[in-house]
Amino acid sequence: LAKTTQPISMDSYEGQEVNITCSHNNIATNDYITWYQQFPSQGPRFIIQGYKTKVTNEVASLFIPADRKSSTLSLPRVSLSDTAVYYCLVGDSAYSGAGSYQLTFGKGTKLSVIP
Amino acid sequence: EAQVTQNPRYLITVTGKKLTVTCSQNMNHEYMSWYRQDPGRGLRQIYYSMNVEVTDKGDVPEGYKVSRKEKRNFPLILESPSPNQTSLYFCASSFHLREDGSSYNEQFFGPGTRLTVL
Repeated sequence: LAKTTQPISMDSYEGQEVNITCSHNNIATNDYITWYQQFPSQGPRFIIQGYKTKVTNEVASLFIPADRKSSTLSLPRVSLSDTAVYYCLVGDSAYSGAGSYQLTFGKGTKLSVIP
Repeated sequence: EAQVTQNPRYLITVTGKKLTVTCSQNMNHEYMSWYRQDPGRGLRQIYYSMNVEVTDKGDVPEGYKVSRKEKRNFPLILESPSPNQTSLYFCASSFHLREDGSSYNEQFFGPGTRLTVL
């Protein structure tokens, strides 16, 4: 299973763009990269998922270089409500019938947004 | 409303007293999973199930059992709880595939069950 490495914590001021990078050197061909957000005492919430290049949705962008050994979650113009823990998750979500769905979360990055 | 529910939300018990935490989802998801979360250790997967009657171990399965007799339910069983199983537990579910047939891994998490074993 591909392990992930993220910074333990980050601080940012409101209105700034925040980039959180995740390393996953042993990512496998079938692995997708998924990011989740978690507020205290709540279950994680899906943010974005990608396989390669760039993916963008209404809340974030995900940048994945060609070698896929890392990925960067980009949060545009953060607000106080973006203060949370962000998890990078790498797993085989390709349904081949023989694929493993064992998924490993890292320890996450605690983002603190400062007024 | 599409959701994953867990019961109970809070439980205090004693060592060795068997307990079951229920998990139910109303989204017709094939995949279900249990995680535990401890301070400083992030989320660790206990067991997962790819479909009815198909379960497999995650990273920390020792001391836990699961069953998947129906698609919507995935109970977590602690036959003989011990204090080191004191934790916050989350159940999650997802589809295997998107509607277009591509891979999909958006897991929907329940609200959590805070378990204390004395």
